Amino acid sequence: EAQVTQNPRYLITVTGKKLTVTCSQNMNHEYMSWYRQDPGLGLRQIYYSMNVEVTDKGDVPEGYKVSRKEKRNFPLILESPSPNQTSLYFCASGQFNEQFFGPGTRLTVL
Amino acid sequence: GQQLNQSPQSMFIQEGEDVSMNCTSSSIFNTWLWYKQEPGEGPVLLIALYKAGELTSNGRLTAQFGITRKDSFLNISASIPSDVGIYFCAGQTISNFGNEKLTFGTGTRLTIIP
Repeated sequence: EAQVTQNPRYLITVTGKKLTVTCSQNMNHEYMSWYRQDPGLGLRQIYYSMNVEVTDKGDVPEGYKVSRKEKRNFPLILESPSPNQTSLYFCASGQFNEQFFGPGTRLTVL
Repeated sequence: GQQLNQSPQSMFIQEGEDVSMNCTSSSIFNTWLWYKQEPGEGPVLLIALYKAGELTSNGRLTAQFGITRKDSFLNISASIPSDVGIYFCAGQTISNFGNEKLTFGTGTRLTIIP
């Protein structure tokens, strides 16, 4: 089954404790992206990747890092999480105009 | 970054009613997309529009790409309970380097009153 998977689905952590949210896709897509969703703000792009080893900032990259060492994986790294990064995060992959979204990761930073 | 104004923010309708929502932008987009998000899930693509003036249908859903390339609307006819969810518009631009950037609207939450 073609899909985008994210782990974990839910995470509660404390300020400053490094964490990684994994994203994997099995559709051989070159393009992958991370978004955060906050009430009243819709989805905002954090980082995206056009291909392996090619990443670029989206609209809200501050406080996040990404890496793209393999085509299928695109982890999101929070080196020192802060409460304002409490949000619902979505990974997506796609080609041309259609992006497929993962199920989301709800992150709470205390 | 680019801003997409989506309205209305929420709608409360009765089953069987028609629904209309729209998005406007200060910038031009190459592609307009409409997504639906159900609770606990990621957005799912409903309709993609590629050319100014294009009118596309998907079942009871109809969407149009505005002539100015700065707006789009989505209509849902004869709403049913499974239409409940949050609808997002998204505009896509492609840079000279081939980078695909998707900008989302703030969403329209559709609720059907029994």
